Amino acid sequence: EAQVTQNPRYLITVTGKKLTVTCSQNMNHEYMSWYRQDPGLGLRQIYYSMNVEVTDKGDVPEGYKVSRKEKRNFPLILESPSPNQTSLYFCASSPFRETDTQYFGPGTRLTVL
Amino acid sequence: AQSVSQHNHHVILSEAASLELGCNYSYGGTVNLFWYVQYPGQHLQLLLKYFSGDPLVKGIKGFEAEFIKSKFSFNLRKPSVQWSDTAEYFCAVNPANNNDMRFGAGTRLTVKP
Repeated sequence: EAQVTQNPRYLITVTGKKLTVTCSQNMNHEYMSWYRQDPGLGLRQIYYSMNVEVTDKGDVPEGYKVSRKEKRNFPLILESPSPNQTSLYFCASSPFRETDTQYFGPGTRLTVL
Repeated sequence: AQSVSQHNHHVILSEAASLELGCNYSYGGTVNLFWYVQYPGQHLQLLLKYFSGDPLVKGIKGFEAEFIKSKFSFNLRKPSVQWSDTAEYFCAVNPANNNDMRFGAGTRLTVKP
């Protein structure tokens, strides 16, 4: 089944403890992206990647890192999480670029205490 | 700042009522436009998109949207809503020649049976 998977789905952590949220797609898509969803603010793009080893900042990249060493994986790294990063995070992929239909993962709900 | 605005935060309708959800953007150049929907407990999925050509685009499940360039708008419409249309709706804009996506804050639609 074609899908975008994220792990973990739920995470509660403490300030400063490094964490990684994984994202994987099995559709051989070139474009991948991370968003955070906050009430009243909708989805805001954190980082995106046009292809392997090609990443770029979105709207709200501060406090986040990403890497794209393989086509299928696009992990989101929080080196030192803070409470203002408490949010719902979505990974998405599309065949070539952002204008193609994006396929979203199920979301990861992160709470930073 | 360039942005995407969805002025209706929560819309409540009865079944069979007509729907129009507003979306305005502030980008000056050519844009690609999208509506995504998130049904309760499900992933975000594409409803429809506009790149060029006929400004009235039709999507899935009887939805349509009209691009009015002079008003910087891309409003979503449906002549007769159903209870199953209860969801959150997001407008998104991709400025042409740019790889990022900007989403609006979302509009929550509740359809009463």
